[in-house]
Amino acid sequence: DAKTTQPPSMDCAEGRAANLPCNHSTISGNEYVYWYRQIHSQGPQYIIHGLKNNETNEMASLIITEDRKSSTLILPHATLRDTAVYYCIVRVAPTGKLIFGQGTTLQVKP
Amino acid sequence: DGGITQSPKYLFRKEGQNVTLSCEQNLNHDAMYWYRQDPGQGLRLIYYSQIVNDFQKGDIAEGYSVSREKKESFPLTVTSAQKNPTAFYLCASSHRGLAGNTGELFFGEGSRLTVL
Repeated sequence: DAKTTQPPSMDCAEGRAANLPCNHSTISGNEYVYWYRQIHSQGPQYIIHGLKNNETNEMASLIITEDRKSSTLILPHATLRDTAVYYCIVRVAPTGKLIFGQGTTLQVKP
Repeated sequence: DGGITQSPKYLFRKEGQNVTLSCEQNLNHDAMYWYRQDPGQGLRLIYYSQIVNDFQKGDIAEGYSVSREKKESFPLTVTSAQKNPTAFYLCASSHRGLAGNTGELFFGEGSRLTVL
């Protein structure tokens, strides 16, 4: 079973920041949090990952709480092309498997 | 350009037939994976391989088989024993094995199998 909990859907206005929450209360100390997104009928696209510290790249920022039990993916200026299903995934130790849940469907509206 | 190629993109088969889905990568990745996705659902891991000539069952391996004779190829066979084979199948690869710290997965565009 997936080890993460995400809201099934969210809306965001175009140009605003999209903040997607994820709970992973059973995460272990050596497990990473990964975020992927999937546009309909395409392969998932990697966004970002982190262990303890906050991370930022050209696509998004990842904020991980100090106790590591939850995280937030931030898309700073959402566009219509960011409409997709966003998956928060904990990398399972020791095998390192990525277990996908059902994700959050983000709808960016004009 | 480097990437992962899955074929065919769409496939139809009759009940009782085996079918093989192709997955090729030229990223020089060690590890390769097969996932299945049903409508409105997340991805479920079928099989994975961290090295040539070795592979492991994922969470839903029953009714499927794989081989890893070459580093760049990881074909998946959906056998007649798979009771509900209609699904979207995704192949992925990563630079390091599953236990690596930076094993970002790169996905192919998927193969949609429909059993008639």
